[in-house]
Amino acid sequence: DTEVTQTPKHLVMGMTNKKSLKCEQHMGHRAMYWYKQKAKKPPELMFVYSYEKLSINESVPSRFSPECPNSSLLNLHLHALQPEDSALYLCASSHAPTANTEAFFGQGTRLTVV
Amino acid sequence: KNQVEQSPQSLIILEGKNCTLQCNYTVSPFSNLRWYKQDTGRGPVSLTIMTFSENTKSNGRYTATLDADTKQSSLHITASQLSDSASYICVVSSEVGFQKLVFGTGTRLLVSP
Repeated sequence: DTEVTQTPKHLVMGMTNKKSLKCEQHMGHRAMYWYKQKAKKPPELMFVYSYEKLSINESVPSRFSPECPNSSLLNLHLHALQPEDSALYLCASSHAPTANTEAFFGQGTRLTVV
Repeated sequence: KNQVEQSPQSLIILEGKNCTLQCNYTVSPFSNLRWYKQDTGRGPVSLTIMTFSENTKSNGRYTATLDADTKQSSLHITASQLSDSASYICVVSSEVGFQKLVFGTGTRLLVSP
């Protein structure tokens, strides 16, 4: 199993809503990542979890709140988002957080904020 | 500043033809270089990973080359198929205490029947 599974595939939410994105992998990977990708742009790193601990927050606004309940799951809690937060949110995982390990990406969640 | 530049920005080729995509990078420290294929609205899928000491790596009809001296890489696609239509992203992995991926802006390839 070399899959990173993200749910939901699509999400439309209002600016006052609270929603969560979920990511799951069963490859025994100990590093997990959230990326944000706007149309026709490369992915931008948001958060890095290493051994279930948040190690990197790339100055992401607090309306995005990550959570890693266990080594297989990664959540991204969303609250009071803005329309400009609409994007494709990608989860990735790698065996370790080091540069020489391959990153596997999920299919993404297409988020639209209205 | 760490940067990965790709050319061309977009490309249209006929089915069955070959093509070569280019990637230039200025990333330090360098760990490895990856090529990903990304369909619209989907996550990137890894095609090849090359370390400093590797000059070429193949994955089916995809062949990547790396010249670490000139900091250039290419991805050659042989006998293109309609399903090859996608964005191809060159990514350099840097070790900065964690895995930092520096993404290129991609080449959008359209294979026409």
